Amino acid sequence: DSGVTQTPKHLITATGQRVTLRCSPRSGDLSVYWYQQSLDQGLQFLIQYYNGEERAKGNILERFSAQQFPDLHSELNLSSLELGDSALYFCASSVGQGPPTGELFFGEGSRLTVL
Amino acid sequence: GEDVEQSLFLSVREGDSSVINCTYTDSSSTYLYWYKQEPGAGLQLLTYIFSNMDMKQDQRLTVLLNKKDKHLSLRIADTQTGDSAIYFCAESGYSSASKIIFGSGTRLSIRP
Repeated sequence: DSGVTQTPKHLITATGQRVTLRCSPRSGDLSVYWYQQSLDQGLQFLIQYYNGEERAKGNILERFSAQQFPDLHSELNLSSLELGDSALYFCASSVGQGPPTGELFFGEGSRLTVL
Repeated sequence: GEDVEQSLFLSVREGDSSVINCTYTDSSSTYLYWYKQEPGAGLQLLTYIFSNMDMKQDQRLTVLLNKKDKHLSLRIADTQTGDSAIYFCAESGYSSASKIIFGSGTRLSIRP
C-alpha cells in the first residue's frame, strides 16, 4: 500500500460526459502528479501540483483540468469525453516539489471507460 | 523534446537473467529510474541512478548507464515468477521543476 488513495477505481460513462477523479496523497506529501496510461501511448505525464500551485504541465488536453485543494487532495476533471479518453489515470505524490531523487508514490489508478 | 523508448515485451526462462533496455533523448537528463508495475497496482520505484554513475547494483538488480549513447538497462539476475510485471524506465532533469518522463513500459513474462 503506497498510501496514495484514488477514487473511483472504475468508472464507465458515455461520450460527451464529464467526470471527476479524486486523489489523496500520502500523509505529508505536498506534490501531486497525474498520469494517463493508455495501451497505445504508454504512461503520459499530465500535470503536477505542489502545495496548491500548478508546478509543471505535460500533455494535458484543454478539456482536462486539475486542482489541488488546501487539504492537499487533488481532483482531475475530464470533460466532453471521447472514446480515446478511455485509460487508466494514475495519481502519484512526493514529499518535495519533484525530482530528482524524490520517489513518486503511485495510487492504484482509476480506470475510465468511455462508451 | 524529451522521449523515453523501451521495447514492449520480453520473455525469459525462470532462473535466467533478464535485461530490459531503454533509450532516452534528453541529454540534460540527470536522474534515471526504473519503476515496476505489478498487475492491478500502481508503479513502484525499484531503483534510480545518477547520470555521473555507470553502474549501480542492488541485490539481484544491476543498472547500467551509457550516457554517451543515452542507453539505460536493468538486469535482473535469477529471474523468478514474482518478477513478472511491467518495467518502466523514466528520466528527469536536475531541477526540482523537472518532470519525470516515463517510457511505455516493458512487459516481462517468465517461462517455466
